[in-house]
Parts: sequence; C-alpha cells; structure tokens
Amino acid sequence: DAEITQSPRHKITETGRQVTLACHQTWNHNNMFWYRQDLGHGLRLIHYSYGVQDTNKGEVSDGYSVSRSNTEDLPLTLESAASSQTSVYFCASSTSGGAGEQYFGPGTRLTVT
Amino acid sequence: GENVEQHPSTLSVQEGDSAVIKCTYSDSASNYFPWYKQELGKGPQLIIDIRSNVGEKKDQRIAVTLNKTAKHFSLHITETQPEDSAVYFCAASKDSSASKIIFGSGTRLSIRP
Repeated sequence: DAEITQSPRHKITETGRQVTLACHQTWNHNNMFWYRQDLGHGLRLIHYSYGVQDTNKGEVSDGYSVSRSNTEDLPLTLESAASSQTSVYFCASSTSGGAGEQYFGPGTRLTVT
Repeated sequence: GENVEQHPSTLSVQEGDSAVIKCTYSDSASNYFPWYKQELGKGPQLIIDIRSNVGEKKDQRIAVTLNKTAKHFSLHITETQPEDSAVYFCAASKDSSASKIIFGSGTRLSIRP
C-alpha cells in the first residue's frame, strides 16, 4: 500500500545544531508540504513543493529550508536550531491539479534544548 | 492572504448528542473546504470536504454546511460516539493555489460516556 513516512519520529537536539527531518511518500504525488503544529496555532505551512526542483516558502519559513531532488522525498532542514522551533512537524502530499485531499505522515516531535 | 478562524477550541458533549464546530474564512476566492480529524499521536486525516458549488454535504453521521455569502462553514456530527473524540481542523483552499491549504486552529472534541 502507498504511504507517507517520516523519520525520525522523535528528536532532541541542541540550540545551534543543523537538523534534517526526512519525509518519504510512495503515492507518486507531485505536491509535498511541511507543517508545524503548535498548541493554539493549528497547522502552519513551512515550505511546499509542486514537483522536482520546485520549492516555495510558506507562512513560517524563516530558519527552515527544503530541497526536492526526486518525487518521493522532501527533507526539511533547520539550519541552526532554536528553542522556538520545538514543535511537532508533519509532512503531507497530494496529487497535482487543483485543491484536494492531503495525506499526512505520522509526525516528528522535535525538541530543541 | 487567507485566514481561517475556528470555534470553539474545546468542546465536550454527551455520548449520543450532536456536536457543531464553526469556521470562518477571509478570502472570497477560496472554493475548497476540507475537514480533518487528528487522533492522538497521529497525523490529520481527511473526513469530509465541500466545494463552493454546493451548500451542504453529508456522509453518514457527519455533515458540512457552507455559506459563501457569510464566508462561514460548519461541521456537524450527530449521534456522537467515543471514537469521535479527537482534534478537528477546518481548512480553506483555492484551486488556483494548487492545493495549498490554510488550517484553522483546531477544536478538541471530547465525548462524555
């Protein structure tokens, strides 16, 4: 069955370190998204991609970057982790061609100490 | 840009009673309104969606209504059951933005036995 996976599921890192969160989908979806979830804010879009070599900034992109070298993967990098980036991160994917259902991964809980 | 507001933030209902969650959006160009359910420790999952060319949609115990004039949409759950306990998110999107979805802040629904 097609799926979307995230790794690691839990991560503790120190302030200032570079961290990369992995996202892998086997849906063959063109669209991929990264969100962060914080209490009281719901899901906020960090970065998104509509296809290979395409990346776009979302509403909370400062301090984060992504790259899309193939259809299946969209890794999220925190260049220099800050305590404000402690959160739960969700990756999602969807088919291209208009608005439609997004399929979410199980999430990565990141703690920056 | 689009802004989605969701109320209430928490809701507790007796098993068997109905639950209603309300959302408003700001961008009159939005034309796709999904609802996601998030169970503890999991990623959000689409439960129902509605497009702007219809005013109501039902799926068993779940229904959504949309008032485009007022820029208001609601989720109705009837005959609530313990498994309905979860966090629910409303969202808004438009086809022209190719699947980019703006989420509300979420409602934690608890079903009392």
